[in-house]
Amino acid sequence: GDSVTQMEGPVTLSEEAFLTINCTYTATGYPSLFWYVQYPGEGLQLLLKATKADDKGSNKGFEATYRKETTSFHLEKGSVQVSDSAVYFCAPELNNYGQNFVFGPGTRLSVLP
Amino acid sequence: EPEVTQTPSHQVTQMGQEVILRCVPISNHLYFYWYRQILGQKVEFLVSFYNNEISEKSEIFDDQFSVERPDGSNFTLKIRSTKLEDSAMYFCASGGDSGGPSYRSYNEQFFGPGTRLTVL
Repeated sequence: GDSVTQMEGPVTLSEEAFLTINCTYTATGYPSLFWYVQYPGEGLQLLLKATKADDKGSNKGFEATYRKETTSFHLEKGSVQVSDSAVYFCAPELNNYGQNFVFGPGTRLSVLP
Repeated sequence: EPEVTQTPSHQVTQMGQEVILRCVPISNHLYFYWYRQILGQKVEFLVSFYNNEISEKSEIFDDQFSVERPDGSNFTLKIRSTKLEDSAMYFCASGGDSGGPSYRSYNEQFFGPGTRLTVL
């Protein structure tokens, strides 16, 4: 069935370090791909998305490129800030109508000043 | 900016009791969802709801669970007889803008802040 493999956390970085959180998925067809972020004590917020191959989603300095050939959607940021400390979830949609997301296990990021 | 709201923020109940978790989705959305997150674990899909009926549900969503949209604005999740393992954070989400000045993709979901359910 459809599934998501996401880099295990926790990840601890110093401010201004480079961040990569790997995500690969298995799914039938070509799902849209999403990254959601959960800040401490809050719900899930959409961070970025890409809806077709080679699309790059970007927001708040984060980027992820839809790689069909490797079925990956790795999240990157060139210079993290303390305020980026959160849990990040990779989530391909399960079908073309957005009926269901399969969330990855989440990667906790802690950024130290 | 419109947002999804959920009440209560924290619900404590005794095992075997019924609970109803409430959500107010964004008003012009067409699809509604419930997810849960057991502490420290992954977010799990429970059910999606469209056109006044369940469109998809997971294995977790057994006969103890039900959803309802009683009045066109609220979207509720009922657990008939709670078990200890139902303790989790429950998130409501909505999506599928019906159109209007700010079109959004049908596959973007907007999440509420969650209800923490504690079953004793």
